[in-house]
Amino acid sequence: GAVVSQHPSWVICKSGTSVKIECRSLDFQATTMFWYRQFPKQSLMLMATSNEGSKATYEQGVEKDKFLINHASLTLSTLTVTSAHPEDSSFYICSASPSTGTEEAFFGQGTRLTVV
Amino acid sequence: AQSVAQPEDQVNVAEGNPLTVKCTYSVSGNPYLFWYVQYPNRGLQFLLKYITGDNLVKGSYGFEAEFNKSQTSFHLKKPSALVSDSALYFCAVRDGSWGKLQFGAGTQVVVTP
Repeated sequence: GAVVSQHPSWVICKSGTSVKIECRSLDFQATTMFWYRQFPKQSLMLMATSNEGSKATYEQGVEKDKFLINHASLTLSTLTVTSAHPEDSSFYICSASPSTGTEEAFFGQGTRLTVV
Repeated sequence: AQSVAQPEDQVNVAEGNPLTVKCTYSVSGNPYLFWYVQYPNRGLQFLLKYITGDNLVKGSYGFEAEFNKSQTSFHLKKPSALVSDSALYFCAVRDGSWGKLQFGAGTQVVVTP
């Protein structure tokens, strides 16, 4: 199947700093990528839909100024957690699908963010 | 609106026994149904999907699922469970070929030796 790579796998940062998470589709182009947040032993919560070359679409209740999404190319989307606080600590996962030929989404390995 | 229900938080099964993880769904149009598995601190791995065609679909690692339109169910099954199947399983639905995936709450599978 298609490969989605997410980096870093884990990161620890201090309160008030910003953290950037990258999501790359390695062997296909993705006009749309999705960013999820997952709390321990819970399901995935869709945060936003990242669209190449245009603004991201955020789900209700997600602060767009706090979670900045940039989808500058067909293979890269980034999520920046700005002015991070301990409550932002979570597991963040991205997904993408090839534009044609397949219906399933492929997921990155996730990023464990810990804000201290 | 679309929704997915996984009624069991956890399923316990002995190694070698059949494994079933339940999923029911609700969509207004044609359901695109998926099963994913997640190991600790990892992303989701695709297991199988139902889009159209045969109601019984086969996927990775010996898993299969049966689409039942009248019961709006898409239960995941494996004839003989392995300890390595212990993981968190998610059912997901999409209304048609485009749009967002809606995930169920997840079912923790524990396979004991």
